[in-house]
Amino acid sequence: AQTVTQSQPEMSVQEAETVTLSCTYDTSESDYYLFWYKQPPSRQMILVIRQEAYKQQNATENRFSVNFQKAAKSFSLKISDSQLGDAAMYFCAYRSAVDYGGSQGNLIFGKGTKLSVKP
Amino acid sequence: NAGVTQTPKFRILKIGQSMTLQCTQDMNHNYMYWYRQDPGMGLKLIYYSVGAGITDKGEVPNGYNVSRSTTEDFPLRLELAAPSQTSVYFCASSYASGNYEQYFGPGTRLTVT
Repeated sequence: AQTVTQSQPEMSVQEAETVTLSCTYDTSESDYYLFWYKQPPSRQMILVIRQEAYKQQNATENRFSVNFQKAAKSFSLKISDSQLGDAAMYFCAYRSAVDYGGSQGNLIFGKGTKLSVKP
Repeated sequence: NAGVTQTPKFRILKIGQSMTLQCTQDMNHNYMYWYRQDPGMGLKLIYYSVGAGITDKGEVPNGYNVSRSTTEDFPLRLELAAPSQTSVYFCASSYASGNYEQYFGPGTRLTVT
């Protein structure tokens, strides 16, 4: 079974600085998708960025970028020019690209990293 | 578009009571999901549906039931509530599987005492 591990329960960053959140995963599959979701205090889950495993190029979305290391099974999120509104829980998630008929489209989440942004 | 809506936002149940959590999406998505989030944990899949009339179990289905009679609605039924079902429940939908984004509702905080 696939697992997702976020080893940093909490992180802190100064406003306008850069922070990197870590995520590792375990899978025997070669084709899958990886996601970072943001959960602010409102509880709303918001997709930040996604990566297809077959793509070597790292995904970027404005101030958010990932460092995808497929061989190392690592998928870190870098937030540049951190803003107060970035303060939230961040969840890394994995989804298989293969439908085993058991949990089609299922997202497997890590436990999350709580990010604080200091003014 | 309202997206994914859930009702109620909060609910307190007594042990043994039953209730239905409502979920509606207006994006004409085929796929819908129910997750639960326990304190300090990520989300875990309870049930999912790939279309009207089709549902299947996820990772933690015990104590829950679902139905999908329309594309828009995917209610989650709790029978004989137990303290272990105290959690935040999220409904989500997506156009398809694979790389398609799952859109989440705002969640329902349920306490069973």
